[in-house]
Amino acid sequence: AQKITQTQPGMFVQEKEAVTLDCTYDTSDPSYGLFWYKQPSSGEMIFLIYQGSYDQQNATEGRYSLNFQKARKSANLVISASQLGDSAMYFCAMSQNTGGFKTIFGAGTRLFVKA
Amino acid sequence: NAGVTQTPKFQVLKTGQSMTLQCAQDMNHNSMYWYRQDPGMGLRLIYYSASEGTTDKGEVPNGYNVSRLNKREFSLRLESAAPSQTSVYFCASTRNPGQGGEKLFFGSGTQLSVL
Repeated sequence: AQKITQTQPGMFVQEKEAVTLDCTYDTSDPSYGLFWYKQPSSGEMIFLIYQGSYDQQNATEGRYSLNFQKARKSANLVISASQLGDSAMYFCAMSQNTGGFKTIFGAGTRLFVKA
Repeated sequence: NAGVTQTPKFQVLKTGQSMTLQCAQDMNHNSMYWYRQDPGMGLRLIYYSASEGTTDKGEVPNGYNVSRLNKREFSLRLESAAPSQTSVYFCASTRNPGQGGEKLFFGSGTQLSVL
């Protein structure tokens, strides 16, 4: 069955430091995509980064990188040089070929950036 | 460029009342989705429509019905609202999820309270 697990309900990080948000997933489909979304306190959902299951290299988007370890079924988000504006909820998500590429989400991690 | 538009933004219902949440996208996307977000539970898929003319159940379909009116519009109906349906509802769309998935484009959400 398709499942996403985020085990960190909340995380604190000092401004300008790096932080890793954990995500593990479970699927039997060889073709899938992994995503991270950010939800600020205003409520909108913002796409951050995408990793395809066949991608050989880890995805990067500016200060965001996705540490993809396929054998361990993990897709951790690394935010470098944290900023106060990074304080938000972060959701890991997965879509897979089976069942029409519907996307499911983890429970989320709330990140607090301290000045 | 509106993207995904949801209406209404806020709604209060009494138990047993019915209502329809409207969603429209202007990006010519094929697939559309309805999610609900409860505190501490991330986003859960209610229904989705992989393409015009098709709809399928997601993780939590009970108590809801959907209509894919045309390629642009995907509505969610609560026939007899219950307090357990108090949540934030998000509509989303994707262009053409045929290769490991594509990122979701979200509406701004509907805050629904059922008393």
